Amino acid sequence: QVQLKESGPGLVQPSQTLSLTCTVSGFSLTSYSVHWVRQHSGKSLEWMGRMWSDGDTSYNSAFTSRLSISRDTSKSQVFLKMNSLQTEDTGTYYCARNNGYFDFWGPGTMVTVSS
Amino acid sequence: DIQMTQSPASLSASLGETVTIQCRASEDIYSGLAWYQQKPGKSPQLLIYGASSLQDGVPSRFSGSGSGTQYSLKISSMQTEDEGVYFCQQGLKYPYTFGAGTKLELK
Repeated sequence: QVQLKESGPGLVQPSQTLSLTCTVSGFSLTSYSVHWVRQHSGKSLEWMGRMWSDGDTSYNSAFTSRLSISRDTSKSQVFLKMNSLQTEDTGTYYCARNNGYFDFWGPGTMVTVSS
Repeated sequence: DIQMTQSPASLSASLGETVTIQCRASEDIYSGLAWYQQKPGKSPQLLIYGASSLQDGVPSRFSGSGSGTQYSLKISSMQTEDEGVYFCQQGLKYPYTFGAGTKLELK
């Protein structure tokens, strides 16, 4: 069955770089796009960017120059890297498969930006 | 960016009651709209896509309607398990954007 799972450090220091991994199973990264969505505690959802099935990427301009998404198809993994983290980047980060809409989501990984 | 405005921000409903949540887009999104349900500590779950298509496995008491800039989600008979936060999302243009959410509680 389709599954996605995020992994990464729970705590990141201000100004440092966040690195997250989304490991997928049950589908191929060359057939579906995988997106990253962030949620501040108790708040709405914010689309960050996506890895398209052909390897193309696009990003929310709110994160431009800070955000990078890449993948390793042999490992079925999609990576998120975001630099210059600030306390307002604290939140839960989700990866989600997009089949027109976000039909499968990972459980999310909580990231706290604090010294 | 397309702004998504949801209303109400919260509501409570009795068992069996019909619930309607509204979502307004800042421009025509041509039915490019989805609804998600999120329960505490869980990731969002897709309920409705294309404004009115029911995702596989979602109970038929959920339905979506609308066009242009105005959309709604209806729960025809509120159940205990329907408590949670509901989000709308436009999938027409990047960046994809979500509504602020509607918190639904059982009265």
